[in-house]
Amino acid sequence: DAGITQSPRHKVTETGTPVTLRCHQTENHRYMYWYRQDPGHGLRLIHYSYGVKDTDKGEVSDGYSVSRSKTEDFLLTLESATSSQTSVYFCAIRRQGGSTDTQYFGPGTRLTVL
Amino acid sequence: KQEVTQIPAALSVPEGENLVLNCSFTDSAIYNLQWFRQDPGKGLTSLLLIQSSQREQTSGRLNASLDKSSGRSTLYIAASQPGDSATYLCAVRRGMGNQFYFGTGTSLTVIP
Repeated sequence: DAGITQSPRHKVTETGTPVTLRCHQTENHRYMYWYRQDPGHGLRLIHYSYGVKDTDKGEVSDGYSVSRSKTEDFLLTLESATSSQTSVYFCAIRRQGGSTDTQYFGPGTRLTVL
Repeated sequence: KQEVTQIPAALSVPEGENLVLNCSFTDSAIYNLQWFRQDPGKGLTSLLLIQSSQREQTSGRLNASLDKSSGRSTLYIAASQPGDSATYLCAVRRGMGNQFYFGTGTSLTVIP
């Protein structure tokens, strides 16, 4: 448990509406990630952050934006939600130290776009 | 782009059996490989991490091996139990980059 929470845990929204998902960590890790998980595709990286205001795109970034104004919070925004963005979204942190360099995941947010 | 494949997609075994899950990747220039467990409706739990310089890692009944040259990793589970039922995913970190690439997972069912 790396002290990662995600909110909301479930959300149903309509096509065209903006949606923001929040990831919060309590351990001051530098790296944070947003993934989506879909059947047949596994987890795919959307965006990641390597510090406050420092972000970069992942494999499937189109239609998503992120912001990180504080170390502990990493926000994922769908500017205008589409049905193809129905998915389970996971936030992760990267814990580094000594010989370890691992990822720890939050509980996920299930998003349904109607 | 790194492609990570896990075969089989699903596996069902009787309790007590030893089993092997497979993970293959296309680019051998990896920094490390990590095995995760995911229970239905839950997030991912880290099981084992193997650095690129290592050949294997062990934790309890789990043993993960890595053969970089052939682009393969295996997760060995000894004396399987119904509580081992879950989806197992592998992920590779390519080089010194910040991206991790995941396989689609193997869904394991251990029958009592």
